[in-house]
Amino acid sequence: KAGVTQTPRYLIKTRGQQVTLSCSPISGHRSVSWYQQTPGQGLQFLFEYFSETQRNKGNFPGRFSGRQFSNSRSEMNVSTLELGDSALYLCASSLTSPNEQFFGPGTRLTVL
Amino acid sequence: QQPVQSPQAVILREGEDAVINCSSSKALYSVHWYRQKHGEAPVFLMILLKGGEQKGHEKISASFNEKKQQSSLYLTASQLSYSGTYFCGTQRSNDYKLSFGAGTTVTVRA
Repeated sequence: KAGVTQTPRYLIKTRGQQVTLSCSPISGHRSVSWYQQTPGQGLQFLFEYFSETQRNKGNFPGRFSGRQFSNSRSEMNVSTLELGDSALYLCASSLTSPNEQFFGPGTRLTVL
Repeated sequence: QQPVQSPQAVILREGEDAVINCSSSKALYSVHWYRQKHGEAPVFLMILLKGGEQKGHEKISASFNEKKQQSSLYLTASQLSYSGTYFCGTQRSNDYKLSFGAGTTVTVRA
């Protein structure tokens, strides 16, 4: 069974640009959650999607958005990048919630 | 609201025991425990739903005290493979949002 995949694995952007990250969940998993991980803040919840619907959202500015497609693949977008957006972005999939979440390897975003 | 984990770090010798605590000021629906090794993604250990149940994973077990809104993770007879950062994640209700604590770094030495 293939695990959660995230692309790209590494990304370097400059302030003001926008970025789109992609997550493919484990086959059959319909719930996808996104997290931002930084050394100082730990794992911060961004949002959760199930069957193309956003069911909850964390305390992040509107520059952070996401969506889920009918095949459960998910994307998150960050517009007008700031230096503080540099982080590891993790997505996790599960069958339902609450349930065991399987994390992808993450996308390391560096904003210069 | 993020749960509070303690201690922030612990160093053990193989075979020693340790307890990691996770506390919330709000009523909880469930507590999740994950372990993340350096450079890797977090890996699921266990979920505890309200009801005070205790679960186990190898020689790692956990409890959930609903009255205190606190969960404890017990590392028994630690092995080198137990090294990593342990995160607790809490759900206040069945709202699909998992809030993680800052993590507890465990180092097990031979």
